[in-house]
Amino acid sequence: KAGVTQTPRYLIKTRGQQVTLSCSPISGHRSVSWYQQTPGQGLQFLFEYFSETQRNKGNFPGRFSGRQFSNSRSEMNVSTLELGDSALYLCASSVDGAYEQYFGPGTRLTVT
Amino acid sequence: GNSVTQMEGPVTLSEEAFLTINCTYTATGYPSLFWYVQYPGEGLQLLLKATKADDKGSNKGFEATYRKETTSFHLEKGSVQVSDSAVYFCARAGGTSYGKLTFGQGTILTVHP
Repeated sequence: KAGVTQTPRYLIKTRGQQVTLSCSPISGHRSVSWYQQTPGQGLQFLFEYFSETQRNKGNFPGRFSGRQFSNSRSEMNVSTLELGDSALYLCASSVDGAYEQYFGPGTRLTVT
Repeated sequence: GNSVTQMEGPVTLSEEAFLTINCTYTATGYPSLFWYVQYPGEGLQLLLKATKADDKGSNKGFEATYRKETTSFHLEKGSVQVSDSAVYFCARAGGTSYGKLTFGQGTILTVHP
């Protein structure tokens, strides 16, 4: 079974721009979660989607948003990029009702 | 709130040495507990898990036991290899916090030949 895939793997953007990251979960997994990983803050939860609905949200500003499609694929969007948004963005999927999550390779976002 | 605390790192060991990475969690509810490993340039891989008190998770020679009385989930391996060099994260999940894992700060492990 194919794992979680994320595109693109690397991205360089300029401050003020917006960016969209994509995630395809493991086949059959309907829950998709997003995390931001930085050296200073570690791994922080952004949000979780299930059946096209956001069920849970972390403590991030409204510039961070996401959505999920009927095929469970998910996207996250960051608007008005700031230098501090430079991070590895990780997507994870899980079977509903199970707590363990399976992670993709991440998208490395650099904001200049 | 829910939190996870890992031992301060980094940890440097010689090959075949014994490894322990300490992890404690806040005792809110009955969380499921996990260890994840991250190799350079990659995402997180699930290493092992435990879902209730006294459960022992194990995989690839690594073990961790869910200790409710000490709210701990320490990771151990009897004989580390150079290929075990990576960052290790302890995490908890549980309750109605859908799809959210709370992670420790991570411990960098370096194993020398």
